[in-house]
Amino acid sequence: RKEVEQDPGPFNVPEGATVAFNCTYSNSASQSFFWYRQDCRKEPKLLMSVYSSGNEDGRFTAQLNRASQYISLLIRDSKLSDSATYLCVVTFRFTSGTYKYIFGTGTRLKVLA
Amino acid sequence: DAGVTQSPTHLIKTRGQHVTLRCSPISGHKSVSWYQQVLGQGPQFIFQYYEKEERGRGNFPDRFSARQFPNYSSELNVNALLLGDSALYLCASSLAGTGGEQYFGPGTRLTVT
Repeated sequence: RKEVEQDPGPFNVPEGATVAFNCTYSNSASQSFFWYRQDCRKEPKLLMSVYSSGNEDGRFTAQLNRASQYISLLIRDSKLSDSATYLCVVTFRFTSGTYKYIFGTGTRLKVLA
Repeated sequence: DAGVTQSPTHLIKTRGQHVTLRCSPISGHKSVSWYQQVLGQGPQFIFQYYEKEERGRGNFPDRFSARQFPNYSSELNVNALLLGDSALYLCASSLAGTGGEQYFGPGTRLTVT
């Protein structure tokens, strides 16, 4: 089983739709969680951190479910400009104090006019 | 303020050669991480450095090495290049090496022929 798994998509949705992505992780001791957005041939850009209580930033809502070991991203009122690949990231802290960042393979979203 | 900078932007090398990639973090950030991203995959964690010490290492062969300088900039070195090393190499900057938010540079696209 992969450490971090995402549905690669693509998710094709009409403008204005609500779309949700999930990301599952295998290590229950994972520490921090993030969503990044990556446009074609560009670097990933931090979209939002994911907090235990859930958090919202405009049209974007992120949630963490530690019991079921997944994080989710909800996008409301989709815009054409939301078309991108969405990457989830999980960090894991070793007993030595070092960290490892694990990216999912990404979920492609295409918002259609 | 300048974001994360990387050089060069593109590079073409021949199998067996050596390459050095450079990264300057965001001002005030003391941690730099390196990632390899091949087409269709999420970034794969190579190294994290904080205060000039290695704080994390991914599953990459010893041909890959890195270091961080007193000004927090970093170099990634790859020896004995293989065709499979062709990828986008991303540098990410964070305040500290504690699993927090990371901000990516534009990357160096390496092609090995």
